[in-house]
Amino acid sequence: AIRMTQSPSSFSASTGDRVTITCRASQGISSYLAWYQQKPGKAPKLLIYAASTLQSGVPSRFSGSGSGTDFTLTISCLQSEDFATYYCQQYYSYPPFFGQGTKLEIK
Amino acid sequence: QVQLQESGPGLVKPSETLSLTCTVSGGSISSYYWSWIRQPPGKGLEWIGYIYYSGSTNYNPSLKSRVTISVDTSKNQFSLKLSSVTAADTAVYYCARGEGGAQGPMVLGYWGQGTLVTVSS
Repeated sequence: AIRMTQSPSSFSASTGDRVTITCRASQGISSYLAWYQQKPGKAPKLLIYAASTLQSGVPSRFSGSGSGTDFTLTISCLQSEDFATYYCQQYYSYPPFFGQGTKLEIK
Repeated sequence: QVQLQESGPGLVKPSETLSLTCTVSGGSISSYYWSWIRQPPGKGLEWIGYIYYSGSTNYNPSLKSRVTISVDTSKNQFSLKLSSVTAADTAVYYCARGEGGAQGPMVLGYWGQGTLVTVSS
């Protein structure tokens, strides 16, 4: 099984900041990587798939990059609605493990 | 707009079978993959398994011996059964649609709101 490790697990930032979240796969997964955003009490929302393809309707301040084992999610200018928990997910092989999550909090 | 809605008991006794149904509206269940995912309180996401509208399935090996996912295309529904539950199965259970295509069945573009199932006597 290919496990996913995110860093950091949590951190604080301010509106307007540029933030980067890292996700590392235990083996190479090419670009079979998705990012999800989850707000408290809500279902996850797909942001990015294929490591860097923005899902329809997702603001362009979100971007993804990477391939192989190392990936990043960048939010270029934090908005208040972006404070949430972010999960990466590999779908290169089964089972499709998620990372443990990165909780982004307001500083 | 596709919408998914989970339904089923919120409380299940230990050793019994958890049963949930996901009703799909605003689109057909055909030609897509349909997954169940769960999230224990305060923890991360775990994929349980998926079913294709034709009936083919794929399960998480960690749960495979206890899981059955089925589909009823006439009702636009798919269902989850998890047997021999314990407190460790207490979680919010989500149903979701896999987008398919070049990215395969595991890019989950539409999710239900989730339903909390508690395992307790």
